[in-house]
Amino acid sequence: EDQVTQSPEALRLQEGESSSLNCSYTVSGLRGLFWYRQDPGKGPEFLFTLYSAGEEKEKERLKATLTKKESFLHITAPKPEDSATYLCAVQARYGGATNKLIFGTGTLLAVQP
Amino acid sequence: KAGVTQTPRYLIKTRGQQVTLSCSPISGHRSVSWYQQTPGQGLQFLFEYFSETQRNKGNFPGRFSGRQFSNSRSEMNVSTLELGDSALYLCASRADNSNQPQHFGDGTRLSIL
Repeated sequence: EDQVTQSPEALRLQEGESSSLNCSYTVSGLRGLFWYRQDPGKGPEFLFTLYSAGEEKEKERLKATLTKKESFLHITAPKPEDSATYLCAVQARYGGATNKLIFGTGTLLAVQP
Repeated sequence: KAGVTQTPRYLIKTRGQQVTLSCSPISGHRSVSWYQQTPGQGLQFLFEYFSETQRNKGNFPGRFSGRQFSNSRSEMNVSTLELGDSALYLCASRADNSNQPQHFGDGTRLSIL
């Protein structure tokens, strides 16, 4: 069964304290792995797409990496405005065409000034 | 470019009633997917439409249904509401049948009394 697991469930950092979030997945053929950020009362906001092992994407203080079994979201020198829930999702290769995403339960990140 | 628009933002219903939620995708996007988000289960896939055809359906009872119109706007309907249907219902759109990222609206918060 296709599955996505994120850890930790919650993370509290001091401003400037770098860390990493983990997303491990089991899927029958990966079409893409997606990272989203979700603020309270809002829908998920797209951050990155990774398609193959070894790929890396970077945006401001965030960097996403991908291996055959997991992805990491590295946060360098975070600021309070980086506080949010970070969601990981995978799109699998099914028999027919589909855009179905399988989500992890997210990591709630709190960055304190 | 306008994002995904969902209406209404908030809805309160009682058990046994039915409800219809609406989603207008990003202009030019033909794929629309619906997700249910709850604190315990996270984001769960409901169904996906592409060019007015349902392509995939998640593991939800038949009380949950949807449709897509020729202008790509989509509606989902839930009949005979139960307390457990209280959730944030999210709609996401994508341009085509690919592994490009889905973009989410801010959801409809449905509360069942």
